[in-house]
Amino acid sequence: SAVISQKPSRDICQRGTSLTIQCQVDSQVTMMFWYRQQPGQSLTLIATANQGSEATYESGFVIDKFPISRPNLTFSTLTVSNMSPEDSSIYLCSVLRDRVYPEAFFGQGTRLTVV
Amino acid sequence: AQSVTQPDIHITVSEGASLELRCNYSYGATPYLFWYVQSPGQGLQLLLKYFSGDTLVQGIKGFEAEFKRSQSSFNLRKPSVHWSDAAEYFCAVRGGGNKLTFGTGTQLKVEL
Repeated sequence: SAVISQKPSRDICQRGTSLTIQCQVDSQVTMMFWYRQQPGQSLTLIATANQGSEATYESGFVIDKFPISRPNLTFSTLTVSNMSPEDSSIYLCSVLRDRVYPEAFFGQGTRLTVV
Repeated sequence: AQSVTQPDIHITVSEGASLELRCNYSYGATPYLFWYVQSPGQGLQLLLKYFSGDTLVQGIKGFEAEFKRSQSSFNLRKPSVHWSDAAEYFCAVRGGGNKLTFGTGTQLKVEL
């Protein structure tokens, strides 16, 4: 398995501000992803974090709103920019160790409330 | 594109009773299938996975799941539910780009 540390675990933010969420893995992983889980909903993939290059975003998500960095094989950040109450969600980091038989592991999530 | 359907939004069972959570998937190739559990305020924990081979897979916490290609199903089962099993359960399929597509989840309530 992989040990994933996600920070902060929760935050309450004012609308119009930005929050950066960190994801640290205890060992090198091949792929890192960011998901959003809106209240009472399932998980939706925001983007794939690519090392040393721009993230690959899913339909409906854009870099200006959710800039992502991945400077190395164990660390990534997701920023939620210019927040509104609709951004209140749980944001989860996920990693894959192995492309051949990948099992996705998840961080504990960041519970974000925008007021 | 792949998709996952979990037809039961809420399920309530008595402690000690058996449990089956349904999952149907749509995917053009051989699917890689997963069940995750999410307890309140927690991240997702992998219960079990199917990649290939034996269609009945065993997982943690006494859970098992059976892959049925003819029915495009991957139902999760447990013979005897414990109160601590109350949580939300998500079925997922791995698709292109190693991305996971999740079902909408089933909320399990256990009555004592």
